[in-house]
Amino acid sequence: AQSVTQLGSHVSVSEGALVLLRCNYSSSVPPYLFWYVQYPNQGLQLLLKYTSAATLVKGINGFEAEFKKSETSFHLTKPSAHMSDAAEYFCAVSKRAQKLVFGQGTRLTINP
Amino acid sequence: DVKVTQSSRYLVKRTGEKVFLECVQDMDHENMFWYRQDPGLGLRLIYFSYDVKMKEKGDIPEGYSVSREKKERFSLILESASTNQTSMYLCASSFGGRTNTGELFFGEGSRLTVL
Repeated sequence: AQSVTQLGSHVSVSEGALVLLRCNYSSSVPPYLFWYVQYPNQGLQLLLKYTSAATLVKGINGFEAEFKKSETSFHLTKPSAHMSDAAEYFCAVSKRAQKLVFGQGTRLTINP
Repeated sequence: DVKVTQSSRYLVKRTGEKVFLECVQDMDHENMFWYRQDPGLGLRLIYFSYDVKMKEKGDIPEGYSVSREKKERFSLILESASTNQTSMYLCASSFGGRTNTGELFFGEGSRLTVL
């Protein structure tokens, strides 16, 4: 069975600082991996996805994530946080593009 | 752009009422899903459908049923609402078959409060 663990339910960074949101997964086969973002009172929208091409994936709004098979990780980073990045972020995994399994979510707060 | 529309953003119902949550997508997607979102628990899959008139249970189907009579519409039904079903409900859709990368397209959510 697949599963996703997001380390840290809340992360707080200063504006301009590095953002690092951690995600570890378990999957019996090469996975498809996703990061979604949810702004207040909205649905989820896709930030980026890994589907067995390049291990470093670039997404929208300056975010990127690196697939590390040896560490079973898919951490999300952004070099410089902006106030508009405040949201909840979800990591998700699927096996051969079947239904997604989501992590618990990480709420990102940006301090001015 | 893909659009997934959920009929109600906010609902308040009483215990024991029957509740219908409607979802419509305009991208001719084969797959549709209903998730429930609760703080600290992330998104949990209630039901999904890979085709018209077809449904499969997700991880937490108890107390819910679904209907998919048309490809674009997927309804979630709470036969007798209870207070522990107070939650945010998210509908999503995706391509099926070989075009499916697993990417989901979400509606804006329906926040249900059961009193």
